[in-house]
Amino acid sequence: DSGVTQTPKHLITATGQRVTLRCSPRSGDLSVYWYQQSLDQGLQFLIQYYNGEERAKGNILERFSAQQFPDLHSELNLSSLELGDSALYFCASSVVADSYNEQFFGPGTRLTVL
Amino acid sequence: QQQVKQSPQSLIVQKGGIPIINCAYENTAFDYFPWYQQFPGKGPALLIAIRPDVSEKKEGRFTISFNKSAKQFSLHIMDSQPGDSATYFCAASISQGGSQGNLIFGKGTKLSVKP
Repeated sequence: DSGVTQTPKHLITATGQRVTLRCSPRSGDLSVYWYQQSLDQGLQFLIQYYNGEERAKGNILERFSAQQFPDLHSELNLSSLELGDSALYFCASSVVADSYNEQFFGPGTRLTVL
Repeated sequence: QQQVKQSPQSLIVQKGGIPIINCAYENTAFDYFPWYQQFPGKGPALLIAIRPDVSEKKEGRFTISFNKSAKQFSLHIMDSQPGDSATYFCAASISQGGSQGNLIFGKGTKLSVKP
């Protein structure tokens, strides 16, 4: 158990809908990262937050947004969902936003868009 | 997005064999190279990592070899066991600047160790 929790574990929804994925980082970790894992694209970095502020963006679609709250939990919002958004979404956390700090991954949320 | 290319896509070895997984990168600004192990239904977990100031790092049965001039690094698993069967991802990141800490992953290698 990495100490990172993600809810829900599974999510099934329809095209055009909006969903929210939640992540609680390890106790004491200030940095949260979101990654998308799909069969064709592999593991891709989406967005990073550090202590409530957005730090970096990767391959995140404009339909997707995220935030980190004062208690350091984070939410990833996916809207106008398309079939291609079906994937595993992982949250990871680290102590600080530093390359050399290990990122601990949560168990993921499996999103299925029908 | 800078790429990290990983090969092979899949690998089957016998118990006790030494599987080798290779990765190549393009961006010379990368300065941290971790390997992650992922079991089905789980999130990736850090296995071992290396910085470019060393050419080799060993942790237990796992060894990373790093060739800075060739921009390549590889993972060797000594005395492989069936419990090592998993998907392995190489990754790279940059410690400075706005993208610090964000991992760029290879596509993964599915390893199967036969008893």
